[in-house]
Amino acid sequence: DADVTQTPRNRITKTGKRIMLECSQTKGHDRMYWYRQDPGLGLRLIYYSFDVKDINKGEISDGYSVSRQAQAKFSLSLESAIPNQTALYFCATSDYGTGSQETQYFGPGTRLLVL
Amino acid sequence: QQQVKQSPQSLIVQKGGISIINCAYENTAFDYFPWYQQFPGKGPALLIAIRPDVSEKKEGRFTISFNKSAKQFSLHIMDSQPGDSATYFCAASRGFQKLVFGTGTRLLVSP
Repeated sequence: DADVTQTPRNRITKTGKRIMLECSQTKGHDRMYWYRQDPGLGLRLIYYSFDVKDINKGEISDGYSVSRQAQAKFSLSLESAIPNQTALYFCATSDYGTGSQETQYFGPGTRLLVL
Repeated sequence: QQQVKQSPQSLIVQKGGISIINCAYENTAFDYFPWYQQFPGKGPALLIAIRPDVSEKKEGRFTISFNKSAKQFSLHIMDSQPGDSATYFCAASRGFQKLVFGTGTRLLVSP
């Protein structure tokens, strides 16, 4: 979905390096998320933000940090990359509307390989 | 603690057959149950969703069946096609809270 962009799309890095994955959205949504996807483990939430001043840890936040620079931008950093952080990373935004309904819109993903 | 359990992990169905994916949830306060579809190389996208006030929702060949008493819901894909081959995620949420996803089912529809 071109409304949610992720850069880079692919990244190879070495153990111990700090890297940043970036996410931008043009949907005007307040909520943004970072997930990682591993085979058999589904989508696991790393961090989420309900607005610019709100940052929350997800289920697997250790080794990661985030920055919400603006409503449209949410970056994920790996402070010191390790091989088990090799995964497919997705950014998502959502438009929580009235009533009980949240639709998340996912970016195309970043494939990260840590050597 | 996994709040939404999904099965099977993978599924192979012949073209024209029915694909069935099941999910069970623990939190009785959940009030929204969507299914997401993910094609290779793409991010997941909303496919169909249901609220607990109905037992079934149908959109084309895709149907959600919901059993509130059993705390289970399932996705049925009728007349499955090779183009339906994808990974499917169930999810659940409560009110303004974020979605909780299942672990995904990789569906392969053989020609």
